Amino acid sequence: NAGVTQTPKFQVLKTGQSMTLQCAQDMNHNSMYWYRQDPGMGLRLIYYSASEGTTDKGEVPNGYNVSRLNKREFSLRLESAAPSQTSVYFCARRGIGRDIGYTFGSGTRLTVV
Amino acid sequence: GEDVEQSLFLSVREGDSSVINCTYTDSSSTYLYWYKQEPGAGLQLLTYIFSNMDMKQDQRLTVLLNKKDKHLSLRIADTQTGDSAIYFCAESIGGGSQGNLIFGKGTKLSVKP
Repeated sequence: NAGVTQTPKFQVLKTGQSMTLQCAQDMNHNSMYWYRQDPGMGLRLIYYSASEGTTDKGEVPNGYNVSRLNKREFSLRLESAAPSQTSVYFCARRGIGRDIGYTFGSGTRLTVV
Repeated sequence: GEDVEQSLFLSVREGDSSVINCTYTDSSSTYLYWYKQEPGAGLQLLTYIFSNMDMKQDQRLTVLLNKKDKHLSLRIADTQTGDSAIYFCAESIGGGSQGNLIFGKGTKLSVKP
């Protein structure tokens, strides 16, 4: 999706491995978000960042860490992956002015075996 | 707390109208949104409505807002197989166009030929 780029698109991890999901926006908007999407659960907010250098927990933060080192990038880290973290992860940025609502990335499909 | 409710499934025949319903809880929500998610993709903004409006029409899409009942609906006229997707309702909490969004669990629309 134009505006937010996520990498990688697919990943398979073994239990206990770590990895970082990358997200970058092509603007300098303040607010960015990480969600996970599971069947029947909709979107659940993991962490969000209201501005560079600040982060806040969402609904399901356990097992994750985030980093917002600059305005464009907001990364999500799994320190010790668990099968329960098998999910599709979406990053989003919030628009300003006429760029209303959220712009989502195309997602990272993560499988933990 | 804030919550957005929508039915999980809807099945219609091609050419019929589809109506997806949503209820929300934050009476101060000034913007309400409909997002569409096609298989394997991220969420894309479909349309939105400002809270001082009762209706918004955009080609085949009609959004109706009943602020008293906190009820939002999305009508798709002449539904096509390409409309098959998951549709998410979202409210902007905290007021304004810059509030964080709360999403429903999504309604999966299946269009049969």
